[in-house]
Amino acid sequence: DQQVKQNSPSLSVQEGRISILNCDYTNSMFDYFLWYKKYPAEGPTFLISISSIKDKNEDGRFTVFLNKSAKHLSLHIVPSQPGDSAVYFCAARLDAGGTSYGKLTFGQGTILTVHP
Amino acid sequence: NAGVTQTPKFRILKIGQSMTLQCTQDMNHNYMYWYRQDPGMGLKLIYYSVGAGITDKGEVPNGYNVSRSTTEDFPLRLELAAPSQTSVYFCASSSVGWPQHFGDGTRLSIL
Repeated sequence: DQQVKQNSPSLSVQEGRISILNCDYTNSMFDYFLWYKKYPAEGPTFLISISSIKDKNEDGRFTVFLNKSAKHLSLHIVPSQPGDSAVYFCAARLDAGGTSYGKLTFGQGTILTVHP
Repeated sequence: NAGVTQTPKFRILKIGQSMTLQCTQDMNHNYMYWYRQDPGMGLKLIYYSVGAGITDKGEVPNGYNVSRSTTEDFPLRLELAAPSQTSVYFCASSSVGWPQHFGDGTRLSIL
């Protein structure tokens, strides 16, 4: 039972255009959602997060949108740059009344390729 | 600027052998985690620890053991390695649960 899904294994965009990465979840008890970026042979790096009580969070070129009714979140990168080419994972934290201890459930990842 | 350090980076094991994957962090984080990532899949939590002497199982703990004798170190032990344990293993740490800081991983092949 995969509670966090990224249904697009890959995405290809031109430099300067918008990249939109999508993520769906099934558990309404998730209280925080995060996006991680991963380059080959490196560990994932935290990118941006959003609380379940918000619908948008922005950090520079990166914006995350949350639609709770649809159980869907998306990451927008504008403008996309070749250095953004990486695997992007969405992750969710379960609200366990303070005992989640930061445990995360990850999606499968989406490979983003930004062409010059 | 070490952060989370994992050793070794690569290892090949024979079926039935055992080994310990090392993880150390220099950020004085209380929370530490071990994940595995199989090809085309997301990271799955194996074990986690909320402080020295305290560990608990994650989603996929079978075949693994951990210990946490110090704040800095969180080794992962594989006993009787099996081909299904071929994977990339990531260690992570955090101060308040998230966001987690990850090491660069250990790529393990069991033949």
